[in-house]
Amino acid sequence: TQLLEQSPQFLSIQEGENLTVYCNSSSVFSSLQWYRQEPGEGPVLLVTVVTGGEVKKLKRLTFQFGDARKDSSLHITAAQPGDTGLYLCAGGAYSGGGADGLTFGKGTHLIIQP
Amino acid sequence: DVKVTQSSRYLVKRTGEKVFLECVQDMDHENMFWYRQDPGLGLRLIYFSYDVKMKEKGDIPEGYSVSREKKERFSLILESASTNQTSMYLCASSLWGPSEAFFGQGTRLTVV
Repeated sequence: TQLLEQSPQFLSIQEGENLTVYCNSSSVFSSLQWYRQEPGEGPVLLVTVVTGGEVKKLKRLTFQFGDARKDSSLHITAAQPGDTGLYLCAGGAYSGGGADGLTFGKGTHLIIQP
Repeated sequence: DVKVTQSSRYLVKRTGEKVFLECVQDMDHENMFWYRQDPGLGLRLIYFSYDVKMKEKGDIPEGYSVSREKKERFSLILESASTNQTSMYLCASSLWGPSEAFFGQGTRLTVV
């Protein structure tokens, strides 16, 4: 069974600060996705990274896929209250069968205080 | 835009009732999934389907069944609802197995 460990589980910081959340595994993934979920809603995809060492930027959010494709990080610069939410990472591992799916981490609850 | 629609946002059911949760996607995706989400436990896969009439058990299938008679529709059935099935239920679809998942808005089910 593939597992994804996210840290920290909870993070509360002031507006304007920077933060990094992590997603780690002992397994290799063919892709790594980050989702953001607001209370009472379903997760929404933010980004997909597929190449070891890949870095993608989405405005103030920077996503990195580890060289060995076992881990990823999400860095937020100058956090804003609108960044508040549950951040989920999900790993995809394609084995060639029809029944592959995603493995989700438990998420990081992020609160940005005004 | 991909749209995944779940039939209800909130449901309250009594213990022992048979409960149907419906999910429809409009992007011709092959794969559909049902998850439940509970505090501290994250998203747990109940069942998934990679083709019409095909289904595979996920990590926690006990007490649930599914139906996929048409490609766009995936139903989750609670055969006899119990209080420990009170949860947020999320449906998702994807083009193929480990590709990006698109989620519905979720159904908050309370069993009393």
